[in-house]
Amino acid sequence: DIQMTQSPSSLSASVGDRVTITCRASQSIDNNVNWYLQNPGKAPKLLIYGTSNLQSGVPSRFSGSGSGTHFSLTISSLQPEDFATYYCQQTYSSTPYTFGQGTKLEIE
Amino acid sequence: QVQLQQWGAGLLKPSETLSLTCAVYHGSFNDYYWTWIRQSPGQALEWLGEINHHGRTNLNPSLRGRVMISVDTPKNQVSLQLTSVTDADTAIYYCARAKAFGYGVDVWGQGTTVIVSS
Repeated sequence: DIQMTQSPSSLSASVGDRVTITCRASQSIDNNVNWYLQNPGKAPKLLIYGTSNLQSGVPSRFSGSGSGTHFSLTISSLQPEDFATYYCQQTYSSTPYTFGQGTKLEIE
Repeated sequence: QVQLQQWGAGLLKPSETLSLTCAVYHGSFNDYYWTWIRQSPGQALEWLGEINHHGRTNLNPSLRGRVMISVDTPKNQVSLQLTSVTDADTAIYYCARAKAFGYGVDVWGQGTTVIVSS
């Protein structure tokens, strides 16, 4: 399986801050990375697909970058509704597709 | 607006078979892969497998042959079966729609909580 290692596992920040979450793959996965946001008790929500493509309806303060084995999700100016848990996912190899362990973003 | 509605038994005993069904409403069924993902309490997401309208599947090998995903295309429904469950299978199970080319999962069902307990 391709392992996806996210860092940090938790992060404290304030409204208006710029934050970056990273994901490292155990092997090269081209640009096949997606990012999700999950609020407690809710299903995840797709934010970014194919490394850097913004899903329809997602605010432009979210952006993604990277290639090969290193990827990142950046939120340019945190809003109150952004405090949640974030997951990366690789879809390079379907046996199986794998997620990172999550990054919990909390209010400082 | 496409909607996914899922249902199935929420309480199982060890060694029983988990069975969930997901119906797709108000959207194309044939243009996507339909995916099952689970999340154990306080844990990360785990991809279980996917199926298309022809019945072509990709399954997670870590489930060691216990998982089966099937499709009923005329009804726009997909189903998940997981045999010989243990308490490690206690989780929220989500049905979801996978975009083409591995571009992520963009529509999710409401989730079904499944508890395995003797």
